[in-house]
Amino acid sequence: QVQLVQSGAEVKKPGASVKVSCKTSGFIFTAYYIHWVRQAPGQGLEWMGTIYPSGGSTIYAQKFQDRVTMTKDTSTSTVYMELSSLRSEDTAMYYCARGRGGYMEQYFDYWGQETLVTVSS
Amino acid sequence: QSVLTQPPSVSAAPGQKVTISCSGSSSNIGNNYVSWYQQLPGTAPKLLIYEDNKRPSGIPDRFSGSKSGTSATLGITGLQTGDEADYYCGTWDSSLSGGNVFGTGTKVTVL
Repeated sequence: QVQLVQSGAEVKKPGASVKVSCKTSGFIFTAYYIHWVRQAPGQGLEWMGTIYPSGGSTIYAQKFQDRVTMTKDTSTSTVYMELSSLRSEDTAMYYCARGRGGYMEQYFDYWGQETLVTVSS
Repeated sequence: QSVLTQPPSVSAAPGQKVTISCSGSSSNIGNNYVSWYQQLPGTAPKLLIYEDNKRPSGIPDRFSGSKSGTSATLGITGLQTGDEADYYCGTWDSSLSGGNVFGTGTKVTVL
């Protein structure tokens, strides 16, 4: 069965970086986009970007363009999302999700279980 | 600030019907497929509707999606207490900033 298993909660200081992993199984890793979505406390969903594991091409939301890096390890079917220069507003639940559909028609059919990132001095 | 606008909340009694609107523009809903997600408290979102009106396997036909112009609608009939959750629409935005976007979210309350 399709599974996306994320790494555990993180506590970081302002200015630091965080790297969250998303280990996938149950499907062909290189055949699907993997997206990252975050949700601040009490707020809505916010798309951060996506990576296509076949080749590693990425598309980032403009808001995160200069702070986010998404990478993949094909040998372990794992995708990583690193966010740098953390500030308190980055405190949120972070989700990875598998994308289906065409290039600009992606929808998210399976989600990871969430990773809480807390940014606090 | 989301480019897709949803009502903050809707409510109805068990067994009744609710509809949730998602308003966008020609750069998003007007020219791209819409999907809908249900988020129960403390859990990850779950796909309810994709490509405007298709239901994934396992989603009951009480949930339906439609689209007209630059707006989309999620309908829930035969409302159940287990439907109490937050609902989000989503689509691709083709504007300069581009990317996937989500609606502002709607809280469904079963009275």
